[in-house]
Amino acid sequence: GQQLNQSPQSMFIQEGEDVSMNCTSSSIFNTWLWYKQEPGEGPVLLIALYKAGELTSNGRLTAQFGITRKDSFLNISASIPSDVGIYFCAGPNFGNEKLTFGTGTRLTIIP
Amino acid sequence: EAGVTQSPTHLIKTRGQQATLRCSPISGHTSVYWYQQALGLGLQFLLWYDEGEERNRGNFPPRFSGRQFPNYSSELNVNALELEDSALYLCASSLAWQPWAVKSYEQYFGPGTRLTVT
Repeated sequence: GQQLNQSPQSMFIQEGEDVSMNCTSSSIFNTWLWYKQEPGEGPVLLIALYKAGELTSNGRLTAQFGITRKDSFLNISASIPSDVGIYFCAGPNFGNEKLTFGTGTRLTIIP
Repeated sequence: EAGVTQSPTHLIKTRGQQATLRCSPISGHTSVYWYQQALGLGLQFLLWYDEGEERNRGNFPPRFSGRQFPNYSSELNVNALELEDSALYLCASSLAWQPWAVKSYEQYFGPGTRLTVT
């Protein structure tokens, strides 16, 4: 079945640092979605990407749709305590309504 | 605009019992998806409903079932509960899915129902 691998699995950073994470697939995706989930809550959609090479920002978050269509990247600039959570990438294969979710990157901010 | 709502927030059941979880989608959304998220793990796709019909299901046994009502709200039923069914059950909604409509891939999640089976 389809797999989305995210790296790193976890990150421990200090407040104010920039964060980079990525998501890779074994096959082509036509849409990439990035979600954030806080403990005990449902995932919240952060950014949606629709075209290869597309770069989209949402505040301090910037995501890119890889040119090969097999990867996507999420950057967070100047991290703050409320950025803590698990970040998931997700995407459908062409013609498939089902979303495949990545394994997640857990972000922890060290005081 | 109200988001996806789910009830109850928490549910505690005994092994062998049945559980019913409910979901109301965002107004204007007709597709409802159910996911299971075991503690510390990722999201596993359970079921997809659209226009009152089950359109797809994940790799789960038949004791996981559900339905969608005319107002597009949905219910997930889990029969003969097992200990490993303990998880956060998430409902998501989207616009009616169409393969060429990119916005229809965007799923919006509710807060989840925490099911504990003892």
